[in-house]
Amino acid sequence: DTGVSQDPRHKITKRGQNVTFRCDPISEHNRLYWYRQTLGQGPEFLTYFQNEAQLEKSRLLSDRFSAERPKGSFSTLEIQRTEQGDSAMYLCASSSSNVGGLETQYFGPGTRLLVL
Amino acid sequence: AQSVSQHNHHVILSEAASLELGCNYSYGGTVNLFWYVQYPGQHLQLLLKYFSGDPLVKGIKGFEAEFIKSKFSFNLRKPSVQWSDTAEYFCAVTGSNTGKLIFGQGTTLQVKP
Repeated sequence: DTGVSQDPRHKITKRGQNVTFRCDPISEHNRLYWYRQTLGQGPEFLTYFQNEAQLEKSRLLSDRFSAERPKGSFSTLEIQRTEQGDSAMYLCASSSSNVGGLETQYFGPGTRLLVL
Repeated sequence: AQSVSQHNHHVILSEAASLELGCNYSYGGTVNLFWYVQYPGQHLQLLLKYFSGDPLVKGIKGFEAEFIKSKFSFNLRKPSVQWSDTAEYFCAVTGSNTGKLIFGQGTTLQVKP
């Protein structure tokens, strides 16, 4: 169990550029979550996958954001035409779901995005 | 609306003092409750969780939390804090039909040696 990994750990970009982040979950975990965290706040849910299916997206998620998990393993989160308000820590978590919905999410170290 | 409220934003204690961090939630239906901790420079780690059964749950490093359904609360406690407990603490809730975690805004705990 190597834990959840995220790449890159830090990203600085200029407003209007596109960025893509990657998350590798704990192996055998079928669920993968993306959250966003800004300074002084708790993580905020963005979207999640069960295997390769995207099951839920936050209403707060603008259409500039897209996430994929093509083979049910790693996932990517892309932000198009970045804005300064997108500056945040982007967290990935994974879990193994079971009957009854009892699951525990394990978090990665996050990708810190700064949009200039 | 589903939400989690953590009453204390910043707590400062001396070593050996007792700790209680408040957490209240607003969520319809069956809930699963969590406390996560983020030590300086590290990622979020699970401290403890409640799914069902005994409302008093014990976690790592001597922490415990009590689920009081009638008060919609899940307060975190530790009888005697250590300097190494300095961290940010997050309460979170999820329901039985979704894994989406809803977090409180966090409490920063500073323990003075």
